[in-house]
Amino acid sequence: DAGVTQSPTHLIKTRGQQVTLRCSPKSGHDTVSWYQQALGQGPQFIFQYYEEEERQRGNFPDRFSGHQFPNYSSELNVNALLLGDSALYLCASSNGLIRYEQYFGPGTRLTVT
Amino acid sequence: GQQLNQSPQSMFIQEGEDVSMNCTSSSIFNTWLWYKQDPGEGPVLLIALYKAGELTSNGRLTAQFGITRKDSFLNISASIPSDVGIYFCAGQGRSFGNEKLTFGTGTRLTIIP
Repeated sequence: DAGVTQSPTHLIKTRGQQVTLRCSPKSGHDTVSWYQQALGQGPQFIFQYYEEEERQRGNFPDRFSGHQFPNYSSELNVNALLLGDSALYLCASSNGLIRYEQYFGPGTRLTVT
Repeated sequence: GQQLNQSPQSMFIQEGEDVSMNCTSSSIFNTWLWYKQDPGEGPVLLIALYKAGELTSNGRLTAQFGITRKDSFLNISASIPSDVGIYFCAGQGRSFGNEKLTFGTGTRLTIIP
C-alpha cells in the first residue's frame, strides 16, 4: 500500500520565480492538505482540497494556490517567490468518511535564493 | 499562524528512561494527534485521540485526551535510541470543512549515551 508521495524532493528557485509542487495521496484517500514548515517550527496549514475544490484555507496570501485532479492528486503553486518562502512543504492525505487522520508525505524542500 | 504550546521544548534522557510531554491550547479541539518527525522527513502519525478523557496506547507510547479538550499528554516508556526525534502534537476541529491540523511547537527528544 503506497503512502503519500511528493515531488520533487528538493528545489532551488530564485526570488520572483514561480514553483509547482506535486502530491499523490495514500490509496483510498480523497482529501489533500498542504502545510508549510519553516526550520525549527511546527507545520502551518496552507489549504485543503476535496472534490477538486479548495475547502479550507489558512492564513497564506493569494500567491499560494492549488489544484486537485480527478485522481485526487494535487499541486501547490507559489508565485512571486520570496526568500521567506524557503521551507519544507508537506502534503497530507485523509478520508473524512473513514477517519479524519492525516498522513504526511516526505515533503519538498524549497530553497529561494 | 497559531501554534499550540508544547513542553518541554527539549529533553535529554538516558536509554531506558520514561518520557512525558504535554500540549496545551486556548481553543477546544475534537481530535488530538501525536506525530514524530525525523530530520528532513515528514511527520509520522503515532496516536490519534477522539474523545475527551480517552487514554490510548500504541506499544510503548500512551497518550491522553484532556478532559477540558484543551490539552493532551504523551508518555513514552523505556526509551530506546530510535525514539530520538521531534514530537509534535496537533489539534483538529474534526467537522466537515474544518479538518485543518494546528500543530504544537514540538518537543525534541535526545538520548544521552
